[in-house]
Amino acid sequence: EAGVAQSPRYKIIEKRQSVAFWCNPISGHATLYWYQQILGQGPKLLIQFQNNGVVDDSQLPKDRFSAERLKGVDSTLKIQPAKLEDSAVYLCASLSRDTSYEQYFGPGTRLTVT
Amino acid sequence: AQTVTQSQPEMSVQEAETVTLSCTYDTSESDYYLFWYKQPPSRQMILVIRQEAYKQQNATENRFSVNFQKAAKSFSLKISDSQLGDAAMYFCAYKRSYNTDKLIFGTGTRLQVFP
Repeated sequence: EAGVAQSPRYKIIEKRQSVAFWCNPISGHATLYWYQQILGQGPKLLIQFQNNGVVDDSQLPKDRFSAERLKGVDSTLKIQPAKLEDSAVYLCASLSRDTSYEQYFGPGTRLTVT
Repeated sequence: AQTVTQSQPEMSVQEAETVTLSCTYDTSESDYYLFWYKQPPSRQMILVIRQEAYKQQNATENRFSVNFQKAAKSFSLKISDSQLGDAAMYFCAYKRSYNTDKLIFGTGTRLQVFP
């Protein structure tokens, strides 16, 4: 089966600009996660969706970050306006209910804010 | 709150030798899951091995095995017969027993493998 797809792979923007990331989970995976991985740190959850509903967005900086999952499939994560500290890798993962609830990760988007 | 600590920022091993990566965690839960993930330069997180806290037997997957010490809240990864392809960042992660819950990661250990 196809894996989790993310685009773009790389993005460079200036501070105060906006940016959007796209994630297409594995077909049939109802749960989707966005993690932020700052250089030198482990990934941290930004937001978790169950179908098209939000399960956990307690760590999402809601003044600048937004996310949606229309129709419970693809998801987009947006940052507006971006700050220097938003430079990170943004990882999308989806959850399989067939293999011991394993999270499958996409290749990530590396964002550089200058 | 649950936390995961990896105290070894970098480790190195000779090809074909054995290396152990350390991880400690803190939780008040009695049932949970622990994981080791590998992240190569391609950035994609790959599951290496998982351990259910209620299982006393240590998990093994081919050359990878864990030493799970529940009372000490310790979860180390042993890589036997190291290969050049094992070079990567390794992350220890924790998840509460709720199946869809988020992963909580440590800061990672960079493993270098020398020929």
